Formats: sequence, C-alpha cells, structure tokens
Amino acid sequence: EVQLVESGGGLVQPGRSLRLSCVGSGFMFGDSAINWVRQAPGKGLEWVTFIRETFAGGTAEYSASVKGRFVLTRYDSKSTVYLQMNNLKSEDSAIYYCIRWSGTLKAYDFWGQGTLVTVSS
Amino acid sequence: EIVLRQSPGTLSLSPGERATLSCWASQSVSSNYLAWYQQKPGQVPRLLIYGASSRATGIPDRFSGSGSGADFTLTISRLEPEDFAVYYCQHYDGSARVTFGPGTKVDIK
Repeated sequence: EVQLVESGGGLVQPGRSLRLSCVGSGFMFGDSAINWVRQAPGKGLEWVTFIRETFAGGTAEYSASVKGRFVLTRYDSKSTVYLQMNNLKSEDSAIYYCIRWSGTLKAYDFWGQGTLVTVSS
Repeated sequence: EIVLRQSPGTLSLSPGERATLSCWASQSVSSNYLAWYQQKPGQVPRLLIYGASSRATGIPDRFSGSGSGADFTLTISRLEPEDFAVYYCQHYDGSARVTFGPGTKVDIK
C-alpha cells in the first residue's frame, strides 16, 4: 500500500524557518517525483514545489511565491524528502500536502494527510 | 505562465441532476497533463480524471472528462449525495510548473 506521511508542521514566527519531512512507503521512492501542494484555510490548492525522480536528476522546481526561500531535497535511502522553509511569511500558513506524481498517469495519484504550518507572531 | 480558470465558482444542484464543470486555460495545453481532483470537506483531494478524459482507479463511470486545447469539462451525469464537494482542475506544463484552477464547489440546492 502506497503511503506518504508528512511531519514537521507547527507554529512558527514570521522570518523563522521550519523543515517538513515526508516519508514514503509501498513504492519505489527513488523512481517517483514528489510534490508539495499547500492549502490555506478555506482556500484552494496551490502548488509549491516538486523534486524529480533520481533517474531524472533529482532536481527541484519551485513556485514563484517560494523560490529563493524554500529548498526541497530527497534522500532515497530513507525514502524521505525534506522541505526546508526559510524566511516564513504569514501567507505561507497552510496545510502542506506531500504527493506522489505518477509518471504513467501524469497526475497526482497518492496524497499524504498533510501537515499544518502556521506562521504567526 | 499558464493560468487555469474554472466556472462556475459554485454550482447548486439536487441529487440526480447533471453537473457540468468547466476549466479553461490561458493558452492551449496538452490534454495529457490535464487532471481533475475532488475534495470533500476535511478530506484530502483525490484524483478523478487524468489525461483530460481517463477515469482514475475506482472512480464511478458517472464521472467523465472531455476537452482539448484550452477548454476542458468535467461532467457528473447524475449527482449522488457523496459527490457534493469542491472540484479542481490541474495542469503540468511538462517541465517546471504545476497549476491548479481555483475550484468549483458543487453544493446541494
């Protein structure tokens, strides 16, 4: 069974940093692109970042709203991706979902349950 | 940068009725990378349609997707009580960017 489990969310002050983790199981982690999508309370879905499969270089892309502040890395030996979020702003407050991208379907096929990040003084 | 728009913002219908949801892109996109997701209150989104018209595993056949170019449609042929939710279209440009539409809420009339 495919599972993605996020952790690391919490309350943080503006300007501070937070690191989210996502552990995958039940699939070949290194062969999957992993995305983060966030959802502010009562709002829609916003793509944040993705990291390519290891065979595709394992490089990451970012939305304009987080580029330069967030860094996504993967450690396939641990089936884990880390989202380092720096210089957090109030508008970064959201549920952050870790999601597997299916290269076959060309869509998001498995979602984690999400972890809540609240940026507030 | 591709922008996705969805209409209507809210669709008020009764169980048994047909729902037609629209998604259109600011420019022509590859239908291979156009997907639809359903999100119920308090739940994680789930994949309904991929490749603009293919149903994901376990999705009932009352859900169908169509369209090409810049205009796409999600149709629910006969609404069941569990179908009242928010629906998002989503596109990947094939290289570096993923975009979601703002969503259409289907609620009970």
